[in-house]
Amino acid sequence: QVQLQESGPGLVTPSETLSLTCAVSGYSISNGYYWGWIRQPPGKGLEWIGNIYHGGRTYYNPSLKSRVTISVDTSKNQFSLQLSSVTAADTAVYYCARLGGNRYCDYWGQGTLVTVSS
Amino acid sequence: QSALTQPASVSGSPGQSITISCTGTSSDIGSYHYVSWYQQHPGKAPKLMIYDVSDRPSGVSNRFSGSKSGNTASLTISGLQADDEADYYCNSYTTSSTLVFGGGTKLTVL
Repeated sequence: QVQLQESGPGLVTPSETLSLTCAVSGYSISNGYYWGWIRQPPGKGLEWIGNIYHGGRTYYNPSLKSRVTISVDTSKNQFSLQLSSVTAADTAVYYCARLGGNRYCDYWGQGTLVTVSS
Repeated sequence: QSALTQPASVSGSPGQSITISCTGTSSDIGSYHYVSWYQQHPGKAPKLMIYDVSDRPSGVSNRFSGSKSGNTASLTISGLQADDEADYYCNSYTTSSTLVFGGGTKLTVL
């Protein structure tokens, strides 16, 4: 069974960089599939952040592209998200997911709440 | 890219059928057969219910079905059950190789 688990700081200072990691078990990232990040501000809807293929090809939400970097570490079977210059508007539950065909999320992590505040 | 448009809320009684619409543009829903639907209960991660417009993942009830016409996709839930009460989100692949979600629909089972 594929399982994903997000980890990282729950509190980030405004203007700093948010960094999260998604550890994958039950499937080797090197075998394929796309891997992505989605977020959900409190009480609001889902927002796609971006995806990465195991070979490193990335796709980002145009509205976040200038601040987002997604990377993959196949040796640790994990992938990561960095979001720079954060503001309170970046406060959200961040989910990592596996994507079939780069177009639908078939496995999700449980999500991790990141609060941006001083 | 703009979010796909969903009704804020829908409701139905147990046993009835409901349909949730999801309207996009020719740059997303209208261009591909790549619409997916997710169910989210409060405090939980979303769950994939439909992918590629009308395909169901293993384990998802056949009470859930999807369709598409032009720039609008739809999710139909038949034989409503209490546990179907949740938020539902549509998602589409776009001509820019990105993904876009709908704003979400709250389903209330009366």
